Amino acid sequence: GAVVSQHPSWVICKSGTSVKIECRSLDFQATTMFWYRQFPKQSLMLMATSNEGSKATYEQGVEKDKFLINHASLTLSTLTVTSAHPEDSSFYICSARDPTAGYTFGSGTRLTVV
Amino acid sequence: AQSVTQPDIHITVSEGASLELRCNYSYGATPYLFWYVQSPGQGLQLLLKYFSGDTLVQGIKGFEAEFKRSQSSFNLRKPSVHWSDAAEYFCAVGAFRTGFQKLVFGTGTRLLVSP
Repeated sequence: GAVVSQHPSWVICKSGTSVKIECRSLDFQATTMFWYRQFPKQSLMLMATSNEGSKATYEQGVEKDKFLINHASLTLSTLTVTSAHPEDSSFYICSARDPTAGYTFGSGTRLTVV
Repeated sequence: AQSVTQPDIHITVSEGASLELRCNYSYGATPYLFWYVQSPGQGLQLLLKYFSGDTLVQGIKGFEAEFKRSQSSFNLRKPSVHWSDAAEYFCAVGAFRTGFQKLVFGTGTRLLVSP
């Protein structure tokens, strides 16, 4: 079946630094990937839609300059949290449209900013 | 705008008992509907999905769901719950926007399984 690999699974960074999270589709090509943020015991909130070869589409209220998304190939999308602050600490999950027209999710990244 | 409601925040079921998790959606067109399960600190695993056709959908791990258009519902069921089913369950609807589909999630239902 379709597999999406997300790395790292957890990261701790200092306030003011940047962190990059990778999302790879391992056995299929994904022209569209999605980035979600999940707060403890809450649902997933879509942050942006990542489109291969073009600019990402951000949801209302999501800072484009804070959360940089790059989808340079059909198998890789990256999310960079720039100048991270403690309030950016969260669980970030990516997903990709897979060949069955469903959505396959990565295993998530726990970001802690100290 | 599309939305998903999962009215039950928590549900506790005895091991071996049957389970039904409720999901209601609001969407102007024919929806694409999904149920996902999430274990703590993990990503989401697809249990089943409905696009069209037979309104009773079979999924993995013995789960099934029934699409009822008249009730705008897509409830998840399992005849006999196992302790390993304890997790967070999310219902989602796929919605078109500018040619791409995005998923809108419900708030989730946490399933607790008692011995």
